[in-house]
Amino acid sequence: KNQVEQSPQSLIILEGKNCTLQCNYTVSPFSNLRWYKQDTGRGPVSLTIMTFSENTKSNGRYTATLDADTKQSSLHITASQLSDSASYICVVSPLGKLSFGAGTTVTVRA
Amino acid sequence: KAGVTQTPRYLIKTRGQQVTLSCSPISGHRSVSWYQQTPGQGLQFLFEYFSETQRNKGNFPGRFSGRQFSNSRSEMNVSTLELGDSALYLCASSPGPQGVYNEQFFGPGTRLTVL
Repeated sequence: KNQVEQSPQSLIILEGKNCTLQCNYTVSPFSNLRWYKQDTGRGPVSLTIMTFSENTKSNGRYTATLDADTKQSSLHITASQLSDSASYICVVSPLGKLSFGAGTTVTVRA
Repeated sequence: KAGVTQTPRYLIKTRGQQVTLSCSPISGHRSVSWYQQTPGQGLQFLFEYFSETQRNKGNFPGRFSGRQFSNSRSEMNVSTLELGDSALYLCASSPGPQGVYNEQFFGPGTRLTVL
């Protein structure tokens, strides 16, 4: 069973709208949690990286939150743009190998 | 600083052949990790090299192997290719070992097609 579960699997939103992606993990012990954006056919690009003591971190229109008690993280995209169409991957680090979620595919439509 | 580079970008092989993929990390980075990405499985960790030593290994058969050179460049080899090996192979570099608070930088990937 994957230790990092992401939801939804995919979503479609209209340009300018906001959306929130979810990441639940069971990895323990926990060191840090990362969100990556991956455009089709390209390598992932880091959006945020948070330690267990951080609750929120922003990168432009992307805001990640972390609740280490409930082992949940979310990625909020504000005022979506067409260029936000991509796969968003949650990655959890348990002081060793990284554990990857399957990703959420976001499609932004004009 | 130049980013992570991977060569070749595209590769077509037939079943039974072997293939070698190359990854040059960002200058100064000592950790190189390899991943396989397929539509159905997402990103799957293959192995990580740090200072020329394999530090971690994923659940892949022995046909998948790798190495890292003294200049931190890394190669991945797949022998006796199978149709299921068709995937995007990604390499990522970071200053320190995977898992520590080090950001990983991914290369563009090598698209391998096995016919």
